[in-house]
Amino acid sequence: QVQMQESGPGLVKPSQTLSLTCSVSGGSISRGSYYWSWIRQYPGKGLEWIGHIYDNGGAFYNVSLKSRATISVDASKSHFSLTLSSVIAADTAVYYCARVSWSGSVDSWGQGTLVTVSS
Amino acid sequence: DIQMTQSPSTLSASVGDSVTITCRASQSIGDWLAWYQQKPGKAPKLLIYKASRLETGVPARFSGSGSGTQFTLTISSLQPDDFATYYCQNYNTVSLLFGPGTKVDV
Repeated sequence: QVQMQESGPGLVKPSQTLSLTCSVSGGSISRGSYYWSWIRQYPGKGLEWIGHIYDNGGAFYNVSLKSRATISVDASKSHFSLTLSSVIAADTAVYYCARVSWSGSVDSWGQGTLVTVSS
Repeated sequence: DIQMTQSPSTLSASVGDSVTITCRASQSIGDWLAWYQQKPGKAPKLLIYKASRLETGVPARFSGSGSGTQFTLTISSLQPDDFATYYCQNYNTVSLLFGPGTKVDV
């Protein structure tokens, strides 16, 4: 069973770049049929899809992020990453890495990591 | 753009009750709908995919139905472990979109 774990700083200053990595174990990122995704959840609120990437590097993003997000994958190292530039306080959220299956559902989630944007 | 809504936003129920949560899409999404359960401090857990298919390991008291624009999640006999927030989610090949959630409490 695949396991996923986010890592990265818990505090980022406004205008700087948020960088998170998701380590994947128990399954290969190179195996097809999955998208590798980042999803965030604002404190006490709902879920927002940030974007996802296929193992060939093709990626899709939430247009609301206005090109601030970039997702990359390193299948040889079994991880994928998120960078979010020019962060503001409203980017404060719990960030989840996740696996999207052929059915379009998220069948595996990391435990989530809280990122706070504050000076 | 597709919009997802859920009703009710909060549902008060008791152990043993049958509860139904509704998810509506602003345009037809076929059966590309999933349901999740989330408890405080935890990641969401997949319950139902493709509108009505039960994820492996999920108790049979959970069921999903619907297609097009209206979907339902039913818990046939609410258990103490089922008090949580439930989200629906659409997939349209290039993006995911979650509903706002329904909190099931006592």
